[in-house]
Amino acid sequence: SQKIEQNSEALNIQEGKTATLTCNYTNYSPAYLQWYRQDPGRGPVFLLLIRENEKEKRKERLKVTFDTTLKQSLFHITASQPADSATYLCALFTGGGNKLTFGTGTQLKVEL
Amino acid sequence: NAGVTQTPKFQVLKTGQSMTLQCAQDMNHEYMSWYRQDPGMGLRLIHYSVGAGITDQGEVPNGYNVSRSTTEDFPLRLLSAAPSQTSVYFCASSPILGSTSGNTIYFGEGSWLTVV
Repeated sequence: SQKIEQNSEALNIQEGKTATLTCNYTNYSPAYLQWYRQDPGRGPVFLLLIRENEKEKRKERLKVTFDTTLKQSLFHITASQPADSATYLCALFTGGGNKLTFGTGTQLKVEL
Repeated sequence: NAGVTQTPKFQVLKTGQSMTLQCAQDMNHEYMSWYRQDPGMGLRLIHYSVGAGITDQGEVPNGYNVSRSTTEDFPLRLLSAAPSQTSVYFCASSPILGSTSGNTIYFGEGSWLTVV
């Protein structure tokens, strides 16, 4: 069966460190993968998109990698700040059916 | 630009009641969708539409109806509410999800529904 897995346990890191979140998938051949941020009581907000033929994408302090052989994407936040504390969701688009499928998200807590 | 607007924000229903969650977008997006979000389950697609007059089922469509009479509006109807439909509902819109171009999905702020 198709599955998208994100670590359900919260990730706690110290301010200034690099946070790394993982998105693993099985039985998908995604055309692209997206990362979203969700704050409590709010809707998800788009952060980055990476296509199947791209290995890495950067935006300011954010970096996403995409390994279609390992079926994994890594999401990095460098020089993390308490304001980065949120739940981060990955989502896959497989190119058919106009559907974006989401993982369950990982909660990140950045402590002073 | 208001983006994606959902109403109501909060609603309590009794089992068996019907109601409609409203969703409107002002970005002229062709693609609109409804998700529900439950603890430990993530966002699950209920129904989606690729344009006025066209709708299709997502992963969890049972108990819900949708229609798309205009580009702007995509209401979600609960036909006979059940406690299992207690959830947070998100409406979203986007240009069509192209296979290689990729498009951002814009989400509304959510509607919290409790069925007692």
